[in-house]
Amino acid sequence: DVKVTQSSRYLVKRTGEKVFLECVQDMDHENMFWYRQDPGLGLRLIYFSYDVKMKEKGDIPEGYSVSREKKERFSLILESASTNQTSMYLCASSLLMLSKETQYFGPGTRLLVL
Amino acid sequence: AQKITQTQPGMFVQEKEAVTLDCTYDTSDPSYGLFWYKQPSSGEMIFLIYQGSYDQQNATEGRYSLNFQKARKSANLVISASQLGDSAMYFCAMREGLTGTASKLTFGTGTRLQVTL
Repeated sequence: DVKVTQSSRYLVKRTGEKVFLECVQDMDHENMFWYRQDPGLGLRLIYFSYDVKMKEKGDIPEGYSVSREKKERFSLILESASTNQTSMYLCASSLLMLSKETQYFGPGTRLLVL
Repeated sequence: AQKITQTQPGMFVQEKEAVTLDCTYDTSDPSYGLFWYKQPSSGEMIFLIYQGSYDQQNATEGRYSLNFQKARKSANLVISASQLGDSAMYFCAMREGLTGTASKLTFGTGTRLQVTL
């Protein structure tokens, strides 16, 4: 079974703090993704990576950066957290960018920025 | 313009009944894939079913089937014989293009399904 784990289920941070969200997958997947989920807006793609050290912006990259130093790990960084970044963050991975290949999701991190 | 539209924010269905969750999509790419995911209250997204734009038949996976109407650009999820455990958020998603690094998933806003006794 594919396993995608996220470092925290719940996180509380203060405005201006630097925040790291970690995601690890154990199935040697090339592709990894970070989404945020907000009520009424569905999931929106922040960044994705199709290889080590490669990254591409998604639909809402502003205020975020990512790091992929190893194939199994994809980190989302909030350089200076703001209250409008309070959200549920979901990490996903997939084997190949084939049309049928589904993405496998982690359990999510609920981030509250005070 | 919305690429994926789910017009039903919430739905109720009685146990053992069938329910249809609506999804319409918008793309000019002839090659695309459509996905449905379930998200229980625990938060994890669970893949349910996939339909490719060139697939001739509607996809089925156990109690889940996808009513794919290409001309109408709709991909409705049908759940037969609903169970209490089907209560969850359901998301429709689309991938445009067959391969390549640009093949991202675009999600709808979701439908919350509540199964009642």
